[in-house]
Amino acid sequence: GAVVSQHPSWVICKSGTSVKIECRSLDFQATTMFWYRQFPKQSLMLMATSNEGSKATYEQGVEKDKFLINHASLTLSTLTVTSAHPEDSSFYICSADLLGLETQYFGPGTRLLVL
Amino acid sequence: ELKVEQNPLFLSMQEGKNYTIYCNYSTTSDRLYWYRQDPGKSLESLFVLLSNGAVKQEGRLMASLDTKARLSTLHITAAVHDLSATYFCAPGGYGGSNYKLTFGKGTLLTVNP
Repeated sequence: GAVVSQHPSWVICKSGTSVKIECRSLDFQATTMFWYRQFPKQSLMLMATSNEGSKATYEQGVEKDKFLINHASLTLSTLTVTSAHPEDSSFYICSADLLGLETQYFGPGTRLLVL
Repeated sequence: ELKVEQNPLFLSMQEGKNYTIYCNYSTTSDRLYWYRQDPGKSLESLFVLLSNGAVKQEGRLMASLDTKARLSTLHITAAVHDLSATYFCAPGGYGGSNYKLTFGKGTLLTVNP
């Protein structure tokens, strides 16, 4: 149990385009989902926290107009990187919080390369 | 703001040897997680430590937590090549209304034959 999927696992796009990444909790309901970004050889940095049905809470320094997060249901959150640029190339990982248990289950990640 | 310091950041060890990775954090946290990350992969949960004095062991890895010292350790016993990976500690705590994890920089472990 407690499986989190992400789609796509790999995406290459041209500079200026938008990319949507999906995060799904497959066998549980997640009231809270988290989006992290990891640059090569660095740690995970929390970008934002999303709660179902409400606006995401962004960490300091993360542009909310650039990284659009939608948490439309208890099993799906999406991250859209708008007008992507090469510096947005990174490994994006989501996690989902099993309801009430304060435990995060991590997705397999999405590697984004912006040319 | 919770700050997490892991050391060492790089660890090269021979098979069969023992070593300890340290994780210090700056403010009170009620639990601490250890994760493993293989190259190109996401995180694999290793341990969650829920209380002061908690000790958990799985195979050649043993994790402990001292909440008073704000210190967790991950001890490796008789290392084998398969343990080569990056290890992260992450204390948890509430930021606003959400429970969040703050990750250390990670320890890149290389076990040499």
